[in-house]
Amino acid sequence: AQSVTQLGSHVSVSEGALVLLRCNYSSSVPPYLFWYVQYPNQGLQLLLKYTTGATLVKGINGFEAEFKKSETSFHLTKPSAHMSDAAEYFCAVSRSNTGNQFYFGTGTSLTVIP
Amino acid sequence: EAQVTQNPRYLITVTGKKLTVTCSQNMNHEYMSWYRQDPGLGLRQIYYSMNVEVTDKGDVPEGYKVSRKEKRNFPLILESPSPNQTSLYFCASSLAGVTYNEQFFGPGTRLTVL
Repeated sequence: AQSVTQLGSHVSVSEGALVLLRCNYSSSVPPYLFWYVQYPNQGLQLLLKYTTGATLVKGINGFEAEFKKSETSFHLTKPSAHMSDAAEYFCAVSRSNTGNQFYFGTGTSLTVIP
Repeated sequence: EAQVTQNPRYLITVTGKKLTVTCSQNMNHEYMSWYRQDPGLGLRQIYYSMNVEVTDKGDVPEGYKVSRKEKRNFPLILESPSPNQTSLYFCASSLAGVTYNEQFFGPGTRLTVL
């Protein structure tokens, strides 16, 4: 079965500090990986995705993530947190051989401290 | 404006009273999906549809029905709602399958079943 694990349901960082949100997946088949962000009282918005090719993926708002097959990880990072980054972040995975099912992690709530 | 709309945004109902949550997209997307979001569980896929008259179960389909008679609409039907279906529901669409493509999310429908 496909699963995604996000370590840490709540993460707090100071404004200007590094943001690191962790995501690990379990899959016997190389997955397609996504990070989505949910701002308060809104739907989800795609931050970035990895399908094939370069393992370091750059997304919107200065975020990036690196696919590490050996570690089955797809951690999200941003060098310098901004107050506007406060949101819920979801890692997600799909595989073409699951018939286009889509699996989200449980989410990480990011708080940015001024 | 390209968007996914859901109605109603908020709904309070009683156990056993049939209800429908509508979802419509104006982007000519083939793929549409329903998710429910619960605290600590993230988003879980209920049903998805690859095209008109083609629907498939997601991870948590029990107690729900869907139909896809037109490309733009994908209503979620609860024939006999129960309190454990109290949740925040999101509809999403993408150009084709979710393997490569970004999903666009609606604003959500908060459902309370008493």
